[in-house]
Amino acid sequence: EVQLVESGGGLVQPGGSLRLSCAASEFISATYYISWVRQAPGKGLEWVAKIKQDGSEKYYVDSVKGRFTISRDNAEKSVYLQMDSLRAEDTAVYYCATTLPFRPYDYWGQGTLVTVSS
Amino acid sequence: ETVMTQSPATLSVSPGERATLSCRASQSVGNNLAWYQQKPGQAPRLLISGASTRATGIPARFSGSGSGTEFTLTISSLQSEDFAVYYCQQCNNWPPTFGGGTKVEIK
Repeated sequence: EVQLVESGGGLVQPGGSLRLSCAASEFISATYYISWVRQAPGKGLEWVAKIKQDGSEKYYVDSVKGRFTISRDNAEKSVYLQMDSLRAEDTAVYYCATTLPFRPYDYWGQGTLVTVSS
Repeated sequence: ETVMTQSPATLSVSPGERATLSCRASQSVGNNLAWYQQKPGQAPRLLISGASTRATGIPARFSGSGSGTEFTLTISSLQSEDFAVYYCQQCNNWPPTFGGGTKVEIK
């Protein structure tokens, strides 16, 4: 069964850090790039970061470059998003999703809420 | 980046009626255009890829068309479960970008 499960969200103060996890079924872990896509409350969708199957390529949206780091551990079938120097505008539900080059996001997790507030 | 513009922002439709949603790209995206459906509290669900190919399990009442910069999602006869927000997304140009969404509500 194709499955993605996010965890690690929560309330954090501005300037703080959080590490999100995305646990994937074995099929996904071996086959797909994994992306993080976020959705601010009441807003639309924004792609945040992407990592290749073997971790050799990583990409970020400009607004998180230098603050967020995506990584994966295929042995653990997991992808991570380390988020540092968090800002209020990073408040959103963060989804992990599968993708391939020039392909849409076929499978999505249920999302994890990150709230940045003092 | 490629800006995706969806219209209208809100579409009021009666059950059983046809709904037509539009998506425009600021530059050509070929046919690398997808549509998603999102219901409150849920993750988006892929409906259409390649501008016109339904994803697995998507009913035939959903159809997509267009290429280049102009795209359309048509729901031929709205069912109660179709009232939701719909997003288009281009995966041709870097970075991938989404439209702002069209909310389909009950008239």
